[in-house]
Amino acid sequence: QKEVEQDPGPLSVPEGAIVSLNCTYSNSAFQYFMWYRQYSRKGPELLMYTYSSGNKEDGRFTAQVDKSSKYISLFIRDSQPSDSATYLCAMSARGTYKYIFGTGTRLKVLA
Amino acid sequence: EADIYQTPRYLVIGTGKKITLECSQTMGHDKMYWYQQDPGMELHLIHYSYGVNSTEKGDLSSESTVSRIRTEHFPLTLESARPSHTSQYLCASSENPNRVSPLHFGNGTRLTVT
Repeated sequence: QKEVEQDPGPLSVPEGAIVSLNCTYSNSAFQYFMWYRQYSRKGPELLMYTYSSGNKEDGRFTAQVDKSSKYISLFIRDSQPSDSATYLCAMSARGTYKYIFGTGTRLKVLA
Repeated sequence: EADIYQTPRYLVIGTGKKITLECSQTMGHDKMYWYQQDPGMELHLIHYSYGVNSTEKGDLSSESTVSRIRTEHFPLTLESARPSHTSQYLCASSENPNRVSPLHFGNGTRLTVT
């Protein structure tokens, strides 16, 4: 079983929709959680970084961590065609060099 | 914003050739990483470095080697390329040497071995 599970999609939504992207994990030691956006033929770009549980908001993006359920989410409000990309979750534990990534969810926002 | 540069962006090379993928960062980060990314798969760590003259192999078995002679430079070398090395190679760095901080990635080198 993988340490991090992420639905690969693809997920297609109309412009303006609220998008919910999710990852589940099995390692309770994970405390640092990241979301990356990756456009085709580009490297992953950091969107959100959170420590431990709770919510963090940045513009149209909200990251949510529920450590009791081992579940993290990224919400995109008022989605735009420019949000069409692959979204990767990543997580890490204290005192380690390892970052464990999900396989990515492909999102397509239709104009 | 992170400044991390990878060259070349694309490389097509024949089996058995020796190649070096370049990675440089201008942020003074101590930690640097090489990942391999294949479609639909999670990123796999190939090598990482905590600082100058400090390198370790990651989880993914690979016939590659790395060096870290300068803080800003972390090249990856394949002594003898094989078709199984065809992949996207991503270089990354992170800011804080003493705790977990987010990775910043370059735009990758897409390698094709024929």
